[in-house]
Amino acid sequence: LAKTTQPISMDSYEGQEVNITCSHNNIATNDYITWYQQFPSQGPRFIIQGYKTKVTNEVASLFIPADRKSSTLSLPRVSLSDTAVYYCLVGDRVDTGRRALTFGSGTRLQVQP
Amino acid sequence: NAGVTQTPKFQVLKTGQSMTLQCAQDMNHNSMYWYRQDPGMGLRLIYYSASEGTTDKGEVPNGYNVSRLNKREFSLRLESAAPSQTSVYFCASSESLRSSGNTIYFGEGSWLTVV
Repeated sequence: LAKTTQPISMDSYEGQEVNITCSHNNIATNDYITWYQQFPSQGPRFIIQGYKTKVTNEVASLFIPADRKSSTLSLPRVSLSDTAVYYCLVGDRVDTGRRALTFGSGTRLQVQP
Repeated sequence: NAGVTQTPKFQVLKTGQSMTLQCAQDMNHNSMYWYRQDPGMGLRLIYYSASEGTTDKGEVPNGYNVSRLNKREFSLRLESAAPSQTSVYFCASSESLRSSGNTIYFGEGSWLTVV
């Protein structure tokens, strides 16, 4: 039932920009795209959300093309503390036929010194 | 402001035992969720409640039951625990099921081991 596809893992070095792309071919018209970050032994926490074009906050930027079938989370100048799993989230139709919010497998980002 | 509170944080069960994970949120959210996360894996939705009085199956509901006791509380019950249910369980809540302008808030997790 996973509606999103992300790379399983990525490696980077401190100070570099990291771009993580998520594919969501079946995104519905009303769906927003939300990214979450999860550190070990913690629940995920919200990073950024967007509907189309570009959104930027103090933590990241989110780029969404016109067809909205994918999105890219951009983390500028990563540090060791950005090592985490990043999830892309859109609405999903679960067994009952209703829509709920399901997570994919996420992208494990490892930042090296 | 506590957010989403789960209890217990750690639990060891024997195969066949039953137990209930408790969850409460103080953000006046309508929707609540239970996810499980196996080691090294992503989160999978077990059950969710769109609003008080409703519950629906998620991706992996087998072996679990839920109760939306009131707007604040959403419990998850394992009737006959199996080793395959060893996992970390996260309760979460959000204003609604809509993804637009909607942030999901998570509890700290409950580590369950079934031996």
